[in-house]
Amino acid sequence: EVQLVESGGGLVQPGGSLRLSCAASGFRISRYEMNWVRQAPGKGLQWVSYIDSSGTPISYADSLQGRFILSRDNAKNSLYLQVNSLRDEDTAVYYCVREVRRNFDSWGRGTLVTVSS
Amino acid sequence: QTVVTQEPSFSVSPGGTVTLTCGLSSGSVSTSNYPSWYQQTPGQSPRTLIYSTNSRPSGVPDRFSGSILGNKAALTITGAQAEDESDYFCFLYVGSDRVFGGGTRLTVL
Repeated sequence: EVQLVESGGGLVQPGGSLRLSCAASGFRISRYEMNWVRQAPGKGLQWVSYIDSSGTPISYADSLQGRFILSRDNAKNSLYLQVNSLRDEDTAVYYCVREVRRNFDSWGRGTLVTVSS
Repeated sequence: QTVVTQEPSFSVSPGGTVTLTCGLSSGSVSTSNYPSWYQQTPGQSPRTLIYSTNSRPSGVPDRFSGSILGNKAALTITGAQAEDESDYFCFLYVGSDRVFGGGTRLTVL
């Protein structure tokens, strides 16, 4: 069974950083395209970042202005998102999502990041 | 900046048919944008209804269908049921961008 479990969210002050993790099971992330998608409370979905199955390219939403860094550890079968210089508007649930043939076919339950002083 | 447009809200009667649309602030949506549609109910993660314009994953009822209508992508629900009351998000590949629409809240009443 395909499963994605996010962790690493929490309360952080503006300007702070967090490292979000996504542990995959039931498949090898090195063979799939993967994404991070976020959703602010009561708002819509926003695509955040993407990594190709080969490990490159990695792309980001323009609005993130270089503050986020996606990485992958094939040995741990895990995906990561380093989120830096956090702002109030980064408060959201962050989902790890597998992509298959232009379909976001598997989603985790998400991890909540709250940016507040 | 690419903006993907959706109706903010829509309502349909039980058993009725409704078509939600997904457009681009500039330009037309085509199959080359590989439009997909995701359904989200409160407290749940989204799930795929349609991908690559009109492909339906196994387990998705056939009352959900996707198409291109004019210059927009469309999701049609034929014979709406109470459990279809949800938020619906479209997603487009636009060049190197990947963009969700703002979502449509569908009410079945």
